[in-house]
Amino acid sequence: GNSVTQMEGPVTLSEEAFLTINCTYTATGYPSLFWYVQYPGEGLQLLLKATKADDKGSNKGFEATYRKETTSFHLEKGSVQVSDSAVYFCALNGRVEYGNKLVFGAGTILRVKS
Amino acid sequence: DAGVTQSPTHLIKTRGQQVTLRCSPISGHKSVSWYQQVLGQGPQFIFQYYEKEERGRGNFPDRFSARQFPNYSSELNVNALLLGDSALYLCASSLTSGRFYNEQFFGPGTRLTVL
Repeated sequence: GNSVTQMEGPVTLSEEAFLTINCTYTATGYPSLFWYVQYPGEGLQLLLKATKADDKGSNKGFEATYRKETTSFHLEKGSVQVSDSAVYFCALNGRVEYGNKLVFGAGTILRVKS
Repeated sequence: DAGVTQSPTHLIKTRGQQVTLRCSPISGHKSVSWYQQVLGQGPQFIFQYYEKEERGRGNFPDRFSARQFPNYSSELNVNALLLGDSALYLCASSLTSGRFYNEQFFGPGTRLTVL
């Protein structure tokens, strides 16, 4: 079945540091890939997405490239801010006859210190 | 425009009780999905409904059931609550449900605590 593996956290960085959160997936066919962010006490917000190989999703300084050859979708940001502290989830959606079932990784906690 | 709304925000129940959680999708969205997020884990898919029909079911016991109403709002019911049902229950809405992905928008969730 479809699955997502994320690097374990927490990841603790100083402000303006470079961020990478690794994500790899297992899926049949060609899934769509996503990064969601969850701030304390809130639901999930879509951060970025990519729907086919070599697509790059980007938003708010975050980027991730859909790498079919390595089945990866690593999240990067050049300079993190304290306000980026949150839990980040990598997810995929397999293309099925019906349904929009998202499969999530376990999440990676990011803590940014000022 | 209002986003996905869920009620109640928090809920405390005891083992063996039954609970009903409610979700109102974004206006114009016809599909609602439910996810369970246990503390420290990623969300797990429970159900998806589209046009009042079940379109997908995750690996959850029959104690979990759901329905969708003509106005596209939805209820998730959990019977015979267990301690392990304590979690954040997330509702997500999307325009349609089909072969290709439709972006899902998540509500703030209902925090259920089972004592």
